[in-house]
Amino acid sequence: GNSVTQMEGPVTLSEEAFLTINCTYTATGYPSLFWYVQYPGEGLQLLLKATKADDKGSNKGFEATYRKETTSFHLEKGSVQVSDSAVYFCALSDQRSSASKIIFGSGTRLSIRP
Amino acid sequence: DAGVIQSPRHEVTEMGQEVTLRCKPISGHNSLFWYRQTMMRGLELLIYFNNNVPIDDSGMPEDRFSAKMPNASFSTLKIQPSEPRDSAVYFCATGTSGVPDTQYFGPGTRLTVL
Repeated sequence: GNSVTQMEGPVTLSEEAFLTINCTYTATGYPSLFWYVQYPGEGLQLLLKATKADDKGSNKGFEATYRKETTSFHLEKGSVQVSDSAVYFCALSDQRSSASKIIFGSGTRLSIRP
Repeated sequence: DAGVIQSPRHEVTEMGQEVTLRCKPISGHNSLFWYRQTMMRGLELLIYFNNNVPIDDSGMPEDRFSAKMPNASFSTLKIQPSEPRDSAVYFCATGTSGVPDTQYFGPGTRLTVL
């Protein structure tokens, strides 16, 4: 079935460091891919998305490219800030669902040191 | 728009008591999802509805859990009787059928069962 695998955390970086959080997926068909972010004490919110192969999603300095050949959607940011500390979830759309169902990865906790 | 509204935000109860969590979706959204999040198990999809009809409840852990959506503006998740292992943050998310990137999360209800 459809699934998402992302790197385990926690990931701890210093401010202004380069960030990569790896994500790979297994899916039939052509799902849309997402990164969601959860700040402390809040619900998840959409960070960025890509709907087809080679699309690049971007938002708030974060980027991820839909790589069909490697079934990957790695999240990157060139210079992280303390405010980026959160849990990041890679996800894909479940096209077998009649609703807007999304399959989430297990989440990666990111902590940024000042 | 007010976003997805969940109540209560915090609930503390004793083992054996009935707990009812409530969700008001974003106006116009016709898909609704209930999730549970714990440190041990991460984010789990419990049940989801499309046009007020339950589509998949395979994630509901036991018969003690039930969910209803009597109309497009309201959903409940009930636990009866509650147990300490039900302690978690419960999220409601809503979206539009066939458009997965419209899934929006509420702020969650933190449930503690003593």
